[in-house]
Amino acid sequence: AQRVTQPEKLLSVFKGAPVELKCNYSYSGSPELFWYVQYSRQRLQLLLRHISRESIKGFTADLNKGETSFHLKKPFAQEEDSAMYYCALPPAGNNRKLIWGLGTSLAVNP
Amino acid sequence: GAGVSQTPSNKVTEKGKYVELRCDPISGHTALYWYRQSLGQGPEFLIYFQGTGAADDSGLPNDRFFAVRPEGSVSTLKIQRTERGDSAVYLCASSQGGLPGNEQFFGPGTRLTVL
Repeated sequence: AQRVTQPEKLLSVFKGAPVELKCNYSYSGSPELFWYVQYSRQRLQLLLRHISRESIKGFTADLNKGETSFHLKKPFAQEEDSAMYYCALPPAGNNRKLIWGLGTSLAVNP
Repeated sequence: GAGVSQTPSNKVTEKGKYVELRCDPISGHTALYWYRQSLGQGPEFLIYFQGTGAADDSGLPNDRFFAVRPEGSVSTLKIQRTERGDSAVYLCASSQGGLPGNEQFFGPGTRLTVL
């Protein structure tokens, strides 16, 4: 069965430090992966998707099929990056619904 | 234009009662999703509509849960004989649909508390 694992419930870093939020998946085939973010008192929103190969707010994520990972990285964390981050993927054969990880709460301290 | 809206924002009910949760998607979005999010968990898929029809209701936990989207726009999630375990934030999302990986736009959620 397809599964998304975010091993860290909480990640705390200092402003300016690099940050990496881990996401591992189990999937047969070529997955399409997403990172969604929820800032305090705001709604869940898309941060980036691997198919776009884009950098949003300084964040990047590379799909590593060998390690079945899609870790989210930023070289210099900012306080406004503090939020809940979710990794998600659509199951094989069904491109519309998403399977979600449990989320990682990122706290960037001044 | 306006984003996805959900009403009510909070709903407190007693065990055994019936509740309806409403979702207004972004205008023109053909796909609509309902998710449930319990404390400390990621969103859990419930049901997906493409237009008026439920294309995938595999996530509905049991027959107490039902959702409709009669005109292909507004959707209502209905829960009968509520139980304390139904307490969660119910999220609605919409997307343009039709293509794999379409971005889903989320509403603010309805927090349901069953006493």
